[in-house]
Amino acid sequence: DTEVTQTPKHLVMGMTNKKSLKCEQHMGHRAMYWYKQKAKKPPELMFVYSYEKLSINESVPSRFSPECPNSSLLNLHLHALQPEDSALYLCASSPGGGSPLHFGNGTRLTVT
Amino acid sequence: SQQGEEDPQALSIQEGENATMNCSYKTSINNLQWYRQNSGRGLVHLILIRSNEREKHSGRLRVTLDTSKKSSSLLITASRAADTASYFCATDGNDYKLSFGAGTTVTVRA
Repeated sequence: DTEVTQTPKHLVMGMTNKKSLKCEQHMGHRAMYWYKQKAKKPPELMFVYSYEKLSINESVPSRFSPECPNSSLLNLHLHALQPEDSALYLCASSPGGGSPLHFGNGTRLTVT
Repeated sequence: SQQGEEDPQALSIQEGENATMNCSYKTSINNLQWYRQNSGRGLVHLILIRSNEREKHSGRLRVTLDTSKKSSSLLITASRAADTASYFCATDGNDYKLSFGAGTTVTVRA
């Protein structure tokens, strides 16, 4: 079990659907991250929030919309996705300052 | 963006043997971290080595860092079946942005 909780574990959605991925941590970490990981590839950074403000957006398409409602929660809103967006979406948190990341177990997303 | 390159891409060893994997990177770093990922799961942090350190140990793990060659190695001694996983190096060049290498898949045969 990890200290970063992601829901749902699996999600299947059509290209016209709107869905959200959720992430929660209660370690008091100031930084939260979204990564995307395709099969047999390393995680790719999507977004970073620092003190609930978006600090890094790695040129992610607008069909992915992050939200940080408070210091413990991180959402990723999905709309009009493409089949190539199917991947494992990982949330992580960190105290910042180069400290290690704590990852959740991810949401396996399939876009049909 | 991916900064680190790892080799080998895959490694198969017998239980009890040592496993060594290497990571090379391109830009200057504050620290280098190693993570393990079991199939379909999240990544777990293993060890962090700072840019002014040359070697670090944690249990059966030994990490080296050569900043002049921009490379690091991870050694797992006396491997166990539970060590079967993918291993990633990750470099921290500035705050909040961690870039992962391509990874090494390790299979430990019983």
